[in-house]
Amino acid sequence: AQTVTQSQPEMSVQEAETVTLSCTYDTSESNYYLFWYKQPPSRQMILVIRQEAYKQQNATENRFSVNFQKAAKSFSLKISDSQLGDTAMYFCALYSNYQLIWGAGTKLIIKP
Amino acid sequence: GAVVSQHPSWVICKSGTSVKIECRSLDFQATTMFWYRQFPKQSLMLMATSNEGSKATYEQGVEKDKFLINHASLTLSTLTVTSAHPEDSSFYICSASPGGNQETQYFGPGTRLLVL
Repeated sequence: AQTVTQSQPEMSVQEAETVTLSCTYDTSESNYYLFWYKQPPSRQMILVIRQEAYKQQNATENRFSVNFQKAAKSFSLKISDSQLGDTAMYFCALYSNYQLIWGAGTKLIIKP
Repeated sequence: GAVVSQHPSWVICKSGTSVKIECRSLDFQATTMFWYRQFPKQSLMLMATSNEGSKATYEQGVEKDKFLINHASLTLSTLTVTSAHPEDSSFYICSASPGGNQETQYFGPGTRLLVL
């Protein structure tokens, strides 16, 4: 069975700090994709970053970057220079075998 | 680019009535659309996957006669909650994948349904 685990139900940091959200996954497939989605209070789900499993280079999108450890099946999200607008639920997701598997989410609060 | 809209954004209805929710991909053609349900403080639960021109594939435990899905075109999918009951009250989200790229889904803003 394919699973995604987010072990941090909630995190809070001060504005401008760096924060890392953890995600581990399990799949027997060799071809898969990993995603981080953000769901702010508006509840609009927004794609933050994606990583193809066959790529060794970690994906980055401005202040967002991932640490993809394929052997360890780990996919953490680092947010640099955090901003108040980063306050949201963050979901890690695995696409494999035509399925998108979701983690339980991490609630991130950025404090002023 | 890759904008998905949903209508209505929220709806209140009486028990026993049917409610239709529309999901549109505004700037791309969506070969596949997905319907999710999200309970408070929980992750998304996939209800069904629909491909344009064919019958939807429902997840285990989802009643296909209660949640009717139609994917009539490459830009429109509808979810009809038939004979709605209070337990159907939830947040419903659709997503769409561009043709040939099922791994990436773009999400609509969601529809909040309250059944009285």
